[in-house]
Amino acid sequence: DSGVTQTPKHLITATGQRVTLRCSPRSGDLSVYWYQQSLDQGLQFLIQYYNGEERAKGNILERFSAQQFPDLHSELNLSSLELGDSALYFCASKGANTGELFFGEGSRLTVL
Amino acid sequence: DAKTTQPPSMDCAEGRAANLPCNHSTISGNEYVYWYRQIHSQGPQYIIHGLKNNETNEMASLIITEDRKSSTLILPHATLRDTAVYYCIVRNNNDMRFGAGTRLTVKP
Repeated sequence: DSGVTQTPKHLITATGQRVTLRCSPRSGDLSVYWYQQSLDQGLQFLIQYYNGEERAKGNILERFSAQQFPDLHSELNLSSLELGDSALYFCASKGANTGELFFGEGSRLTVL
Repeated sequence: DAKTTQPPSMDCAEGRAANLPCNHSTISGNEYVYWYRQIHSQGPQYIIHGLKNNETNEMASLIITEDRKSSTLILPHATLRDTAVYYCIVRNNNDMRFGAGTRLTVKP
């Protein structure tokens, strides 16, 4: 157990819809990273937050947005969903002392 | 984009050492080398990291060349449960981008 919690674990929705994925980092970790992993693909970095502020941006589509709240949990919002958005979405928090990432078990999104 | 190059796949016999290479020829002086692995579709798992010196922990050893342009992750006695995709990452501040990794298959 990494200490990072992601919900929901599975989500099935239709094209054009909007979903929100939630991530609770490990206690004490201020940084949250979001990654997308499509079937048999590598991990694509989407965005990173540190203590509520956006710190780094990767290949995140304009239809996607994220935020980190004062209690440090983070949400990834995916809108106008397309079939190609079907993927595993991972959240990770970064340890303050060593800088290693601790990953959650992911949210599997299926867009039909 | 990832700053590392890894072979796409490798095989290793169970009980033998698995040596996974990574090339990071453009690494700069303050960048760390991190290794993670991902078993099937689980969340990636941290293995080890280093800056200049070789490192060892309960999971693996990390050998970094003197010029820091490449490194090798060593799993000393590979087991079937070590079958996974192994990612080598060069960390630049907040940037933690994963490449395609090496798919290691441990065979009986």
